[in-house]
Amino acid sequence: TQLLEQSPQFLSIQEGENLTVYCNSSSVFSSLQWYRQEPGEGPVLLVTVVTGGEVKKLKRLTFQFGDARKDSSLHITAAQPGDTGLYLCAGDNSGGSNYKLTFGKGTLLTVNP
Amino acid sequence: NAGVMQNPRHLVRRRGQEARLRCSPMKGHSHVYWYRQLPEEGLKFMVYLQKENIIDESGMPKERFSAEFPKEGPSILRIQQVVRGDSAAYFCASSPHPRATEQYFGPGTRLTVT
Repeated sequence: TQLLEQSPQFLSIQEGENLTVYCNSSSVFSSLQWYRQEPGEGPVLLVTVVTGGEVKKLKRLTFQFGDARKDSSLHITAAQPGDTGLYLCAGDNSGGSNYKLTFGKGTLLTVNP
Repeated sequence: NAGVMQNPRHLVRRRGQEARLRCSPMKGHSHVYWYRQLPEEGLKFMVYLQKENIIDESGMPKERFSAEFPKEGPSILRIQQVVRGDSAAYFCASSPHPRATEQYFGPGTRLTVT
């Protein structure tokens, strides 16, 4: 079973601060997705990265896929209270299945006003 | 364009009862996936279905759990004789193609077994 380790598990910051959360694995993934999940709701897809070294930006969010496609990071600039939520990374098993997502346990981010 | 719909959003069952969870995929999506999120755990893949076919049920417990996606109507995840350990959030996702990169999730059903 391939594992995705996310760190930190919890993060509480003040509005306006920058932050980075990480998603690491010992295995290679064909693609990696980042989701945000709010309490009582389902995960909402933020971005998909597929190429080693790829960087994608979504407003104040910057996503990077490691060169070896084993890790990824999410950087948020000038965090806002609306960024509060559980950030999940998920990868697809490159060992044959291209549909089965493996999820990390997530980073619970709280942005205080 | 409606997203993935799940009902009920909350379901309470006593031990030994049956739970039926429904999922209507996004319009144009014929691939459905079920995931389970246990407290303090990440989402775990359970089963992948296409219309009238179970493609991969490797993540689903062998006993008491079953899933279907009929030609007409929603996909259904059925749990028979529920136990306390079945309490979890169950999420359905759908995609237009069988790819992990295009799965869109519903709001989930929170099952509580008392």
